[in-house]
Amino acid sequence: TQLLEQSPQFLSIQEGENLTVYCNSSSVFSSLQWYRQEPGEGPVLLVTVVTGGEVKKLKRLTFQFGDARKDSSLHITAAQTGDTGLYLCAGSQGGKLIFGQGTELSVKP
Amino acid sequence: SAVISQKPSRDICQRGTSLTIQCQVDSQVTMMFWYRQQPGQSLTLIATANQGSEATYESGFVIDKFPISRPNLTFSTLTVSNMSPEDSSIYLCSVDNSGGRATDTQYFGPGTRLTVL
Repeated sequence: TQLLEQSPQFLSIQEGENLTVYCNSSSVFSSLQWYRQEPGEGPVLLVTVVTGGEVKKLKRLTFQFGDARKDSSLHITAAQTGDTGLYLCAGSQGGKLIFGQGTELSVKP
Repeated sequence: SAVISQKPSRDICQRGTSLTIQCQVDSQVTMMFWYRQQPGQSLTLIATANQGSEATYESGFVIDKFPISRPNLTFSTLTVSNMSPEDSSIYLCSVDNSGGRATDTQYFGPGTRLTVL
């Protein structure tokens, strides 16, 4: 089993601030997914990145896949209270997903 | 993406009993998976539910404890057997993005929150 290290584990910021979440591994993934999970619900897919160096934008969220496909980052610009939730990265290997530990984000008004 | 439902959404059970969780998808999918999410933790893959054959379990999970059925391409069940308080978790099913071919992207059901007393 390959590990996917996600950081930070907890993040509490004020509305309007920027933040970055990181996922790092020593292993190569065929793709990497980012999910957001709210209490009492299942994870909801935000994005899948496949190509090394790929950058995808989803409104105020920017996702990047490392050149070597071993790491990824999620950057949120001007965070809003509605961004509060658990953010999960998951790398794909052999058709299975390996999840990072998750980042619990709290955005305060 | 596929619409996934799970039953029950939550349950409180006594130790020593078993609970069967159902996962229903609104379209045929190649791959179905079962995960466990313990309180405050990330997701851990329990097994891959294979249509027409025995499930493939990950290290640390066994068929006697977590029997899985997959009778067709839209439905699967996970049973948590002889439960103990340590089994209290959210159990999630997921599917690949269908189309008859396996892909990397998975979509998740809403989860079943299990509490064992």
